[in-house]
Amino acid sequence: EIVMTQSPATLSVSPGERATLSCRASQSISSDLAWYQQKPGQPPRLVIYGASIRASGIPARFSGSGSGTEFILTISSLQSEDFAVYYCQQYNNWPPITFGQGTRLEIK
Amino acid sequence: EVQLVESGGGLVQPGGSLRLSCAASGFTFSSHSMNWVRQAPGKGLEWVSSISSGSATIYYADSVKGRFTISRDNAESSLYLQMSGLRAEDTAVYYCAKRFGSGSFDHWGQGALVTVSP
Repeated sequence: EIVMTQSPATLSVSPGERATLSCRASQSISSDLAWYQQKPGQPPRLVIYGASIRASGIPARFSGSGSGTEFILTISSLQSEDFAVYYCQQYNNWPPITFGQGTRLEIK
Repeated sequence: EVQLVESGGGLVQPGGSLRLSCAASGFTFSSHSMNWVRQAPGKGLEWVSSISSGSATIYYADSVKGRFTISRDNAESSLYLQMSGLRAEDTAVYYCAKRFGSGSFDHWGQGALVTVSP
């Protein structure tokens, strides 16, 4: 099973600043990585797939990078609606499909 | 517009059974693999099960293997999860999710809460 590890667990950033979230895979997953945003009481929303491709309707301030075992989600200028929990997910070697434990992005 | 609507959640005693349904619309259901993903209260996401478009390929997480059964009815555009031998640790919101491309999930339902308690 591929273990996904996200860091930090909580990230405090001021609106308008840049946020950088990390995700590490326990073995190479090529670019088979997705990022999801989840707000309280809502289902997850696909943000990035293929490690760097923005999903439909996702603003350009969201960008993803990385391949192999190290991945980054960057939000260039945080808006109030961006504060949420973010999960990474690998789909390279499954079953099982595995998620990271999440990073909570909170307002500083 | 893609819509996924889960139903069938509720309170069940340990050892009991429950059947979740997911009604799909707004896309060609029969062309897409579908999945169940759950989230225990205050916890992260856990993949539960996957079924291919024609039901030929089915996978389960080890935590539910032998107790849960995924199925689908393409004529009715519906996905199901039959859960038996339920345990307290199965308490979660269960989401149905449409697979996109190689394996991400581009659409999710609002979720169905399953609570396993005496």
